[in-house]
Amino acid sequence: NAGVTQTPKFQVLKTGQSMTLQCAQDMNHNSMYWYRQDPGMGLRLIYYSASEGTTDKGEVPNGYNVSRLNKREFSLRLESAAPSQTSVYFCASRVSGDQPQHFGDGTRLSIL
Amino acid sequence: QKEVEQNSGPLSVPEGAIASLNCTYSDRGSQSFFWYRQYSGKSPELIMFIYSNGDKEDGRFTAQLNKASQYVSLLIRDSQPSDSATYLCAVIYSGNTPLVFGKGTRLSVIA
Repeated sequence: NAGVTQTPKFQVLKTGQSMTLQCAQDMNHNSMYWYRQDPGMGLRLIYYSASEGTTDKGEVPNGYNVSRLNKREFSLRLESAAPSQTSVYFCASRVSGDQPQHFGDGTRLSIL
Repeated sequence: QKEVEQNSGPLSVPEGAIASLNCTYSDRGSQSFFWYRQYSGKSPELIMFIYSNGDKEDGRFTAQLNKASQYVSLLIRDSQPSDSATYLCAVIYSGNTPLVFGKGTRLSVIA
């Protein structure tokens, strides 16, 4: 049982390049989330999808876009990467309601 | 603004001691509370959840919830060096909204 799978695990970009981070879950969860984690800042919610077909902004959405492709997949796109977006990105999912979130292993992204 | 507050630490305890990690939250109506453990360079891992006032025990871990005081804690008995990690407290404030995370408390268990 893979749980939440994120690709790639590591990526180095140059300023201005674009890329898409992929996330897929095999737990039949309804809700999916994208976070970034920076030293001293904790987990900050970028975007989330409460259910298939819906997406909402979180705390730090600027510079990002998301697509809930289907119930399993939720992608995060950086259209024009900036050094300030250097971070560790985590995808998470949960079934709904009062249930916990389950995290993927993360993507370590460096933007030069 | 929904907030979850934790002492950033580091909290240092000797091996075999009880580690006590604390968390406060801002909305009295919150219903669901979670503790995650995050090792350096790894993703957060769920270790406990609690929904009702009182204590919930799972092995060496005990979660304690006091809704009147808006306070949730995690006790780790017989602490081991392998428990050294950052512990994140998280709260669901209502319905299907995302979990709100504290910034975490770094625990160091000294052998």
